[in-house]
Amino acid sequence: AQSVAQPEDQVNVAEGNPLTVKCTYSVSGNPYLFWYVQYPNRGLQFLLKYITGDNLVKGSYGFEAEFNKSQTSFHLKKPSALVSDSALYFCAVRTDTGGFKTIFGAGTRLFVKA
Amino acid sequence: DAGVTQSPTHLIKTRGQQVTLRCSPKSGHDTVSWYQQALGQGPQFIFQYYEEEERQRGNFPDRFSGHQFPNYSSELNVNALLLGDSALYLCASSQAGHNSYEQYFGPGTRLTVT
Repeated sequence: AQSVAQPEDQVNVAEGNPLTVKCTYSVSGNPYLFWYVQYPNRGLQFLLKYITGDNLVKGSYGFEAEFNKSQTSFHLKKPSALVSDSALYFCAVRTDTGGFKTIFGAGTRLFVKA
Repeated sequence: DAGVTQSPTHLIKTRGQQVTLRCSPKSGHDTVSWYQQALGQGPQFIFQYYEEEERQRGNFPDRFSGHQFPNYSSELNVNALLLGDSALYLCASSQAGHNSYEQYFGPGTRLTVT
């Protein structure tokens, strides 16, 4: 069965510092990995994806993520956090054998302090 | 270019009642997926519609049903509502085929069952 784990319920970081939001996954087949962000009372907004190719993928708003197959991880990173980055972040996975179903993690709340 | 729209925004129903939620996909998209997001959790896949048929279903009972119309819009129906059905219901659209991995989410419908 496919699963996604986001081990941290909350991440706190000071503005200007680098941030990392962790994600690990368990799938059979090749993973397709995604990060989404959710602001209060809003739907999910796509940030970036890994399908194949370069392990380091760059996305919207200066975010990037690194696919690590051996560690089954896909951590979200940003070199310099902004207060406006404060939101709820979801990691998600599909596979080439799992059909069209996308599995989401429980989410990590990011707080960036000024 | 309109994004994904959902109606209504909020809804309050009583246990045992039935509810219909509506979704219009992003222009150019032909695939619609529905998700349930309970408070404090990640979205859970309910089902996906493509070419007016249910293409894949998550672990939800038959009380949850859907429909897709020729214009690609979709409805989610829930019968015999339970208190546990209270959640944010998200619709996501995508384009089948190449690059269909990326989903665009609507703002959601907040359903409260009393």
